[in-house]
Amino acid sequence: EVQLVESGGGLVQPGGSLRLSCATSGFIFNDFAIHWVRQAPGKGLEWVSGISWSSTSIAYADSVKGRFTTSRDNAKNTVYLQMNSLRPEDTALYYCAKGINIITVVFMADYWGQGALVTVSS
Amino acid sequence: QSALTQPPSASGSPGQSVTISCTGTSSDVGGYNYVSWYQQHPGKAPKLLIYEVDKRPSGVPDRFSGSKSGNTASLTFSGLQAEDEADYYCSSYAGTNTYGVFGGGTKLTVL
Repeated sequence: EVQLVESGGGLVQPGGSLRLSCATSGFIFNDFAIHWVRQAPGKGLEWVSGISWSSTSIAYADSVKGRFTTSRDNAKNTVYLQMNSLRPEDTALYYCAKGINIITVVFMADYWGQGALVTVSS
Repeated sequence: QSALTQPPSASGSPGQSVTISCTGTSSDVGGYNYVSWYQQHPGKAPKLLIYEVDKRPSGVPDRFSGSKSGNTASLTFSGLQAEDEADYYCSSYAGTNTYGVFGGGTKLTVL
C-alpha cells in the first residue's frame, strides 16, 4: 500500500523557519518525483515545489522561491521542505504527493498524504 | 505562474451530465498534454480523477472523462451521483520551472 506521511508542521512566528518531512512507503521511491502542494484555510490548492527522482531537477512556485528548499534522501524514502523567512500568507495545510509517471517531474499526483498544518503567526 | 481559470461553481441533478472547464494559455494547458483533475471532499486530501488530459487511474469510474481543445480542458460527469458533490481542481504542467499550476477550483453541487 502506497503511503505518504507528512510531519513537522506547527506554529511559527513570522520570519521563522520550519522543516517538513514526507515519509513514504509502498512504492519504488527512487523512481518517482515528489511534490509539495499547499492549501490555505478555505482556499484552493497551490503547487509549491517538486523534486525529481534524482534531485537533479527541482522547481518552486514564485511565491516561495528563494525562501523554501526541497530535498530528498533516497536511502530514507523521505522528502523534505525547508521553509525559511516564513510569512503569515504561508499559513496552510501542506501536502506531499507522488508523481504518477516514472522519472518525469511533471505534476500529476496519484497519491497524497493527509497534510501537515503550518501556522505563521505572532 | 498565473492560475488556471475555472468557474467557481457548477450544479446538476442526479443522473445529469455536467462539464467543468479549465482555461489556461498556450504556455500551460494548450502547450502540453499534462492536464490532471482532482476531486476533494471537505476535510480530505485531493484524489486524482484524470491525468494526461483523458486518462483515468485504476478505480476511477468511467463516468468521469477528460478532454482538451486549445487552451481549455474539460472534466465531464456522465450521470451525476450524490457522492460527486465536492470541490474539483484542474492542474497543468507549465514548463521546466513550473511543474504544476492549479485552477481556482469549482464547487460542484448535486441538487
